[in-house]
Amino acid sequence: GENVEQHPSTLSVQEGDSAVIKCTYSDSASNYFPWYKQELGKRPQLIIDIRSNVGEKKDQRIAVTLNKTAKHFSLHITETQPEDSAVYFCAASKGGNQFYFGTGTSLTVIP
Amino acid sequence: GAGVSQSPSNKVTEKGKDVELRCDPISGHTALYWYRQSLGQGLEFLIYFQGNSAPDKSGLPSDRFSAERTGGSVSTLTIQRTQQEDSAVYLCASSLMASSNTGELFFGEGSRLTVL
Repeated sequence: GENVEQHPSTLSVQEGDSAVIKCTYSDSASNYFPWYKQELGKRPQLIIDIRSNVGEKKDQRIAVTLNKTAKHFSLHITETQPEDSAVYFCAASKGGNQFYFGTGTSLTVIP
Repeated sequence: GAGVSQSPSNKVTEKGKDVELRCDPISGHTALYWYRQSLGQGLEFLIYFQGNSAPDKSGLPSDRFSAERTGGSVSTLTIQRTQQEDSAVYLCASSLMASSNTGELFFGEGSRLTVL
């Protein structure tokens, strides 16, 4: 089955700096890569996703890049704010199948 | 309903007792997932239902765990003879997913299980 690895497990940045979280996957058939944000005590919620037919996607301060050849994808958050503090999970999936999640990155944005 | 609903939100039980956790997915969502999240840990896949297909049970940690989905809607996760290591938040998610495409997972608030 698929194996998703996520790094780093914890990340602290100063407010206004950028944060980057990286994930690798093993199954070349995976074609959908979402990122979920889980605030303390809350449910995970989708913040951005990318499909295998594109290399980059942006939504305001967040962006995701995908390198299919190397089988890795990354989340980039620019101009970080305290409300970005949360646990972020990457995932990989292929059509009609289950999602494989990374182990999570706890991001702390220091005011 | 407006979102994925899970009950109970909190359950405290004694070691050795059976528990049932319920998930009511978003109406029309064909895919339903159960995940387990231990304190400070990631999302551990348990079981996946897709339409009328046989469920993917590959994530169930032992034969004490089982799940069913009646009528393609509500799902129940049952843990028999609970152990302290079963203590965790059990998250349910649903998705409007076709066999060849993948869609967003919508999570419930979770059921926090504490086994004393």
